[in-house]
Amino acid sequence: DAGVIQSPRHEVTEMGQEVTLRCKPISGHDYLFWYRQTMMRGLELLIYFNNNVPIDDSGMPEDRFSAKMPNASFSTLKIQPSEPRDSAVYFCASSLETGDSGELFFGEGSRLTVL
Amino acid sequence: KNQVEQSPQSLIILEGKNCTLQCNYTVSPFSNLRWYKQDTGRGPVSLTIMTFSENTKSNGRYTATLDADTKQSSLHITASQLSDSASYICVVSDANAGKSTFGDGTTLTVKP
Repeated sequence: DAGVIQSPRHEVTEMGQEVTLRCKPISGHDYLFWYRQTMMRGLELLIYFNNNVPIDDSGMPEDRFSAKMPNASFSTLKIQPSEPRDSAVYFCASSLETGDSGELFFGEGSRLTVL
Repeated sequence: KNQVEQSPQSLIILEGKNCTLQCNYTVSPFSNLRWYKQDTGRGPVSLTIMTFSENTKSNGRYTATLDADTKQSSLHITASQLSDSASYICVVSDANAGKSTFGDGTTLTVKP
């Protein structure tokens, strides 16, 4: 398996624009997670899905953020409108086990810069 | 509130030397503790997992220890290599909600 695949790897956009980040989890993994990593706050869980259903979105910072998982092999994280404080590296991870207490397999991340 | 604290924040050592990274946690009830290695520009990769009954676990030159009584874990790296330069993140999961708390990581730099 190729591992968790994320795109784009880098995104530079202007404030107010819509940003869509994409993720393909490892085949057979029932759990998918979106994390945000910054120097100030480290890794933060934004939302996770089990069998394509959102289970916990308490980490989503505000209504500008939304995530979907239309099928077992694809998920998106959308920010609309984007703001400079959204600049961070966004990681997608998948797991076989319950919640995020199992081993997480991370993608390479999407580095977002909002000007 | 569940917390995971790692020390030191950063560390510089010479190639071939050993080092030990620390992780203290308040997560309760405890389920497991993982150490992840994150290379610059990459996603974290799991090194080892410790459950309540395990005191020591090795993965090559990496040895993790766990003291569930004092709620402390350490990651010892033996005979460091340049490729060990990375951030090491301690992640502790609770047994109730199955949720994990991430430490801020220790940045290790190995110099030739």
